[in-house]
Amino acid sequence: KNQVEQSPQSLIILEGKNCTLQCNYTVSPFSNLRWYKQDTGRGPVSLTIMTFSENTKSNGRYTATLDADTKQSSLHITASQLSDSASYICVVGGAYTAGNNRKLIWGLGTSLAVNP
Amino acid sequence: NAGVTQTPKFRVLKTGQSMTLLCAQDMNHEYMYWYRQDPGMGLRLIHYSVGEGTTAKGEVPDGYNVSRLKKQNFLLGLESAAPSQTSVYFCASNYRIGLDTDTQYFGPGTRLTVL
Repeated sequence: KNQVEQSPQSLIILEGKNCTLQCNYTVSPFSNLRWYKQDTGRGPVSLTIMTFSENTKSNGRYTATLDADTKQSSLHITASQLSDSASYICVVGGAYTAGNNRKLIWGLGTSLAVNP
Repeated sequence: NAGVTQTPKFRVLKTGQSMTLLCAQDMNHEYMYWYRQDPGMGLRLIHYSVGEGTTAKGEVPDGYNVSRLKKQNFLLGLESAAPSQTSVYFCASNYRIGLDTDTQYFGPGTRLTVL
């Protein structure tokens, strides 16, 4: 069964600290892995997208890594800010047709709270 | 450039009532999607469209209908609302055809409660 599991479920850190969020998946065949940030009451916003051949991708203070062999990904947040408080969702794309995103498997997210 | 917008933001319905959720995008995107987000579950795809005049079923299509009469609009209809359809509904869109790494852009969501 295609699944995406994220850990931890929730995390509290102090402003300025770093943190790493984990994502394990069993989606096969694999196409791509995405990380989204979702603020409370808002729609998800894309942070990174990686394909099988990519093992790291950065977007400002966000760095995602991918190990397609072990089917694991991580999202590292550097020098956290209060505005980083949100849910971070790992999404894995399976095989598709016609270039659409109908084979995206969404994780439940990690809820991050950054405290002053 | 407003991106993806959704109307309304909130709605309360009684069981059996009908309503239509409107999604609009001004990015000339070909593909549009309707998702629902429920506590303890990841986003689930309801219906999607790969172009004007086309629609297709997603993961959880039962109880919903859609239409894409214009490229920029994607409508989600509930003909006879049920309490199980209480959820937050998100519309999304993406542009590039043939690529599986194309970024999806999401709207702000519609919070629907069915009593």
